[in-house]
Amino acid sequence: KQEVTQIPAALSVPEGENLVLNCSFTDSAIYNLQWFRQDPGKGLTSLLLIQSSQREQTSGRLNASLDKSSGRSTLYIAASQPGDSATYLCAVPYSGNTPLVFGKGTRLSVIA
Amino acid sequence: DTAVSQTPKYLVTQMGNDKSIKCEQNLGHDTMYWYKQDSKKFLKIMFSYNNKELIINETVPNRFSPKSPDKAHLNLHINSLELGDSAVYFCASSQVNTEAFFGQGTRLTVV
Repeated sequence: KQEVTQIPAALSVPEGENLVLNCSFTDSAIYNLQWFRQDPGKGLTSLLLIQSSQREQTSGRLNASLDKSSGRSTLYIAASQPGDSATYLCAVPYSGNTPLVFGKGTRLSVIA
Repeated sequence: DTAVSQTPKYLVTQMGNDKSIKCEQNLGHDTMYWYKQDSKKFLKIMFSYNNKELIINETVPNRFSPKSPDKAHLNLHINSLELGDSAVYFCASSQVNTEAFFGQGTRLTVV
């Protein structure tokens, strides 16, 4: 049974800092890994999708890496801004076109 | 254009009532899902439909019945609502091995 763990559960940083969010999963036989952002009271916004054959994926100030063999992914956020404050969720599918298994998220606060 | 849309956004109802939540996606995806986010913000899959057919049904009470009239719609009907059903319900869709897109959620409060 796939389990996803995210560390830390909460993080508070001053504006401008670079930061790393961690995600680990127990079953390395994944097809892809997806990072989402959730603002309070809102839905999930997809940030990055990394296919199992990829090592990393970049979008603007965000960079996600994937080490499938060790069951780990990181989300790197450069030059953090107050607008980055949200909960960040990592998720992997059981296999193929199956539902995502989510971590419990990291709640990020960027202080101006 | 909203990719995955759910209605209603908020739903407050009394115990014992029956209610439905509607979901529509305009992405042309074959697979749609219902997830539940509990009070601790943990997201768990409830149902998965592929081309209108039920693929996955996690351990969800029989009071919850999904219905997919066509590939673009997946509705969730809940009978005899209980206090413990209060949560945020998210609809999502995806294609094989691609990004999943989520709706804005329906916050259900049972009183």
